[in-house]
Amino acid sequence: AQSVSQHNHHVILSEAASLELGCNYSYGGTVNLFWYVQYPGQHLQLLLKYFSGDPLVKGIKGFEAEFIKSKFSFNLRKPSVQWSDTAEYFCAVTVDAGNMLTFGGGTRLMVKP
Amino acid sequence: EAGVAQSPRYKIIEKRQSVAFWCNPISGHATLYWYQQILGQGPKLLIQFQNNGVVDDSQLPKDRFSAERLKGVDSTLKIQPAKLEDSAVYLCASSLDAYRGRVGELFFGEGSRLTVL
Repeated sequence: AQSVSQHNHHVILSEAASLELGCNYSYGGTVNLFWYVQYPGQHLQLLLKYFSGDPLVKGIKGFEAEFIKSKFSFNLRKPSVQWSDTAEYFCAVTVDAGNMLTFGGGTRLMVKP
Repeated sequence: EAGVAQSPRYKIIEKRQSVAFWCNPISGHATLYWYQQILGQGPKLLIQFQNNGVVDDSQLPKDRFSAERLKGVDSTLKIQPAKLEDSAVYLCASSLDAYRGRVGELFFGEGSRLTVL
């Protein structure tokens, strides 16, 4: 069965710092990859997704992620974070064109103003 | 567009009692999911419905959990009897049919937080 690992559980950054959150998955077949975000007091929402094609995908609010197949990774990046990026970020995967979303454990990001 | 509605938002019960959560998905979304999110962990799928049929319930503890989606719209998740380890947020999500190219694009409700004492 597939699994997703997020190695950073808590990240604290100052505004304008660059962000990279790690995500690794374990599955040998075809995958679709996602990042979801949960802002304080809000519901989970889709940040960006990778299905195929260009491995560098761009999402909302200046976020991007790069799919590196050889490393089974899908790291999330943002060049300059803002206080409003404070949230919990979840990496997730579906496999073999299925619709069952498997989540990682999440990374809690705090951005200091 | 109205989002996924869930109720109640909060519930506190004692162990061995029963509880039920309700979910109304986004209109037109054929697929409905129930996830369990324990504090400090990512959401874990409990059950997935396609219209009113079960697609996957392999991680649903069937000795105490049950779920139904009558008429392919609203859904109810029940726990009976509850255990301490059932304390979690129960998330409902919905999505368009996967074959319309929207695989993995789930819309989540705000969740129902259960505390079992």
